[in-house]
Amino acid sequence: GAVVSQHPSRVICKSGTSVKIECRSLDFQATTMFWYRQFPKQSLMLMATSNEGSKATYEQGVEKDKFLINHASLTLSTLTVTSAHPEDSSFYICSASGGADYGYTFGSGTRLTVV
Amino acid sequence: GESVGLHLPTLSVQEGDNSIINCAYSNSASDYFIWYKQESGKGPQFIIDIRSNMDKRQGQRVTVLLNKTVKHLSLQIAATQPGDSAVYFCAENMLGTGFQKLVFGTGTRLLVSP
Repeated sequence: GAVVSQHPSRVICKSGTSVKIECRSLDFQATTMFWYRQFPKQSLMLMATSNEGSKATYEQGVEKDKFLINHASLTLSTLTVTSAHPEDSSFYICSASGGADYGYTFGSGTRLTVV
Repeated sequence: GESVGLHLPTLSVQEGDNSIINCAYSNSASDYFIWYKQESGKGPQFIIDIRSNMDKRQGQRVTVLLNKTVKHLSLQIAATQPGDSAVYFCAENMLGTGFQKLVFGTGTRLLVSP
């Protein structure tokens, strides 16, 4: 079946630094990738949607200059949290889709802790 | 953001019972729905899906019911086992700006006692 690899699984960074999270579709071409954030005991909140080769579309209230998304190929999307602060500490999850008839495949998530 | 819950409701059952988890979705135009299971520290795991032209779909030990009139989904788990303990989310596929996107509901924590 479809597999999405997300890396790293855990990262600790200092306040003010930037962190990059990678999301790769291993056995299919992901025309669209999605980034979610999940705070403890809450649901997954969609942050943005990216299509290969075009700018990401951000959900309302998500700062595009803080959460940089790049989808340079059909198998790789990256999320960069810039100038991270403790309130950015969260569980970040990516999802990839090969198109409308292919469903969604999720990565295993990245636990970001900003100290 | 969309569909962010303030807390997770909890359903506690005994092993062997049948469990029913409910979900209200937001968009009457949503055409596809998915139930996910999420264990602590992991990404969502696909359980079962249903398209809007159906009102019931069965899998192994699980059944999803869709009531479009009241925008309601339910997940039924037969003979619940301790390994079913997790958080369950419904998600609806809706149209964004020129693309499809998946939006999650609030979620329900299922606790199964042996």
